[in-house]
Amino acid sequence: EDKVVQSPLSLVVHEGDTVTLNCSYEVTNFRSLLWYKQEKKAPTFLFMLTSSGIEKKSGRLSSILDKKELFSILNITATQTGDSAVYLCAARFMDSNYQLIWGAGTKLIIKP
Amino acid sequence: DTEVTQTPKHLVMGMTNKKSLKCEQHMGHRAMYWYKQKAKKPPELMFVYSYEKLSINESVPSRFSPECPNSSLLNLHLHALQPEDSALYLCASSQLDRGVVNGANVLTFGAGSRLTVL
Repeated sequence: EDKVVQSPLSLVVHEGDTVTLNCSYEVTNFRSLLWYKQEKKAPTFLFMLTSSGIEKKSGRLSSILDKKELFSILNITATQTGDSAVYLCAARFMDSNYQLIWGAGTKLIIKP
Repeated sequence: DTEVTQTPKHLVMGMTNKKSLKCEQHMGHRAMYWYKQKAKKPPELMFVYSYEKLSINESVPSRFSPECPNSSLLNLHLHALQPEDSALYLCASSQLDRGVVNGANVLTFGAGSRLTVL
């Protein structure tokens, strides 16, 4: 059965800390992995990863995919209270435009 | 601001009511989606429209009826809902191009419609 597992499920850190969120997957015919940030309502797109070993960066956020070990990590450095959110990862199949297998999300709380 | 607009933001309805959720995007995306999200859970796919035709119906009860009047609009008609249908309903859209990997098929979500069924 295809699945995506995120860990930890929740995390509380202080402002300025660095956090690493994990996403492992078992997906037949894997195509890509996506990270989204969901604060109150709309999930907003962060990264799409298709190739192993290529780090994607956006400001203090970065992510990398390991297709051999079947996982991805999302790093956030110098965290700010605005980083508090649920971070979702989802895996896409090769032969589908639409289907995503979602992880349960990591709830990240940044304390001032 | 999200480029996918959903209305209403909040909806409270009784089990005998008929109501509709609306979604609009002007990004030229040809795939549009309805997702249902319960608290502390990831989004669950309900329907997908591709080129204004229903492509995927994830075994959703008939009390939910989607409609795609044109390439920019997506509706979800609600009738005889149950209290367990209370959830956040998210609309999303994406490009449709299986030949393009980078940047393609990334979902852009609306802010959602929070539905409460009494």
